[in-house]
Amino acid sequence: GAVVSQHPSWVICKSGTSVKIECRSLDFQATTMFWYRQFPKQSLMLMATSNEGSKATYEQGVEKDKFLINHASLTLSTLTVTSAHPEDSSFYICSAYRDSTYEQYFGPGTRLTVT
Amino acid sequence: KQEVTQIPAALSVPEGENLVLNCSFTDSAIYNLQWFRQDPGKGLTSLLLIQSSQREQTSGRLNASLDKSSGRSTLYIAASQPGDSATYLCAVNRGAQKLVFGQGTRLTINP
Repeated sequence: GAVVSQHPSWVICKSGTSVKIECRSLDFQATTMFWYRQFPKQSLMLMATSNEGSKATYEQGVEKDKFLINHASLTLSTLTVTSAHPEDSSFYICSAYRDSTYEQYFGPGTRLTVT
Repeated sequence: KQEVTQIPAALSVPEGENLVLNCSFTDSAIYNLQWFRQDPGKGLTSLLLIQSSQREQTSGRLNASLDKSSGRSTLYIAASQPGDSATYLCAVNRGAQKLVFGQGTRLTINP
């Protein structure tokens, strides 16, 4: 089956620092990946679409200068939370779109806590 | 704007019962609908994907139906087991593979 990994699985950082989260598709190539965030007891909200070789497209209300996305290769996308603040604390989940099955496969998520 | 609603928000049933989870969406112009399972603190596991042209999909004890015209989907779980306890999310593909998620149904199966 299709496997997507995320690293780290959890991270604690101080307010004002930046944090990078990696999303990898392990056994398939993904030209498109997605980043979501999930607050406690709430559903997933799409933040941005990550496209290999081009700029990410952000959903309305998501600050692109705060959430930097780089889709460096067909198997890797990174999300950098810049100048993190406590309100950025959340569960961040990525997904990778597999063309052959029309499905998105989700990573295990990264829990970010900003103190 | 597409909105997805799941009812009920939480459900608790004894082991062995059959159950139905509901999902409704406001805009019938969807490409497909997907049901996921999420365990606490974990990512999502895809259960079933229904294309807009399909009426249902089955996988083991799970059966998902789609009525695009009425904006509804159901997930039927037969002979429920304690291991089925999780949050179930439905999501519609509004285009360009962008998924809009419901709030989820938190299911508890009591032994």
